[in-house]
Amino acid sequence: DIQMTQSPSSLSAFVGDRVTITCRASQSISSYLNWYQQKPGKAPNLLIYAASSLQSGVPSRFSGSGSGTDFTLTISSLQPDDFATYYCQQSYSTPYTFGQGTKLEIK
Amino acid sequence: EVQLVQSGAEVKKPGESLRISCTGSGYSFTSYWITWVRQMPGKGLEWMGRIDPSDSYTNYSPSFQGHVTISADKSFSTAYLQWSSLKASDTAMYYCARRVGSSSALDSWGLGTLVTVSS
Repeated sequence: DIQMTQSPSSLSAFVGDRVTITCRASQSISSYLNWYQQKPGKAPNLLIYAASSLQSGVPSRFSGSGSGTDFTLTISSLQPDDFATYYCQQSYSTPYTFGQGTKLEIK
Repeated sequence: EVQLVQSGAEVKKPGESLRISCTGSGYSFTSYWITWVRQMPGKGLEWMGRIDPSDSYTNYSPSFQGHVTISADKSFSTAYLQWSSLKASDTAMYYCARRVGSSSALDSWGLGTLVTVSS
């Protein structure tokens, strides 16, 4: 299985901050990388697919980049609604493994 | 509107069997794979497996192969996840989600089915 490692595991930030979350794959996955946001008690929500494509309806402050083994999710200016847990997922080869998650909290 | 409606919460005893469901609406059910994802209490997301509803072809994660069965009935636009013998460690929230496009991202999710296994 391909292992996905996110960093940091948790992060505190202020509203308005620029935040970057990193995801590293244990082998090259080209651009088969997706990002999800999950709020407590809710199902995950797709933010970014294919490493850098913004899912319809997702605010433009979210962006993704990377290819191969190293990827980033950036939130350009944190809003109160953005405090949640974020997961990366590789969809290069099954099983389509997820990262362990990054919990983003208000400072 | 695309919707995946999951069956309600279940409380079972170890050793019992269970089947939970996920019914799709608002799109062509046979055109998109359905994936099942586990989330144990306070933990992250785990990809369990997927099914192509058009022909019921399945892929399983090795971590779940042999312990769960994924199936689908396209006439009812419904996918299923079932266990023949539950364990306490199966206690979790189970989500179904629709796989979309060449990226295989999961663009629509059910609300989840909470399965509690306790003696």
